[in-house]
Amino acid sequence: GEDVEQSLFLSVREGDSSVINCTYTDSSSTYLYWYKQEPGAGLQLLTYIFSNMDMKQDQRLTVLLNKKDKHLSLRIADTQTGDSAIYFCAEGTTSGTYKYIFGTGTRLKVLA
Amino acid sequence: DVKVTQSSRYLVKRTGEKVFLECVQDMDHENMFWYRQDPGLGLRLIYFSYDVKMKEKGDIPEGYSVSREKKERFSLILESASTNQTSMYLCASMGRGAGTEAFFGQGTRLTVV
Repeated sequence: GEDVEQSLFLSVREGDSSVINCTYTDSSSTYLYWYKQEPGAGLQLLTYIFSNMDMKQDQRLTVLLNKKDKHLSLRIADTQTGDSAIYFCAEGTTSGTYKYIFGTGTRLKVLA
Repeated sequence: DVKVTQSSRYLVKRTGEKVFLECVQDMDHENMFWYRQDPGLGLRLIYFSYDVKMKEKGDIPEGYSVSREKKERFSLILESASTNQTSMYLCASMGRGAGTEAFFGQGTRLTVV
């Protein structure tokens, strides 16, 4: 079945780069997403990448996709304390009705 | 400003009670979803609906049912609440087609005692 995996925790120092990794299983996924959840809030879309792309950059965020290995990563440059949150990787699957499969989430803690 | 609104932020219910969680979206979206979020397990899909009166089971539908009588409203029902249903419940809505963004409500933290 479909499965999306992430490490549960990541801790970085303010100003360093953060890299959050994700592996997925559905090779038919057309889009892959990164969502951010701040404390006490719902999820908000950070960025997404279409499956025929290798890389997407958006200000401090860089998404890398290795389709052969089904590996997705999110790099946050110059990480700030406001980046502390849970980051979810998700794949959009077209098995039946289009829907999202979410990973376990990675809790990023930024140390001042 | 797009919005998905869940009726309660916090709920405390007793074992065996019937519980209704309500979700309303104002974006005229066809698709609506209910997830539960538990530490270390991420978001797991309970049920979703792709049209009025239509519903499909997600990965963990046992102990839950849903209702979608109007396009903007999607309700999650716990017929007889149990302590293992203590969790954070998140509603989301999404337009039609691949690649569209899912918008989330703020979540309802349900505690069953």
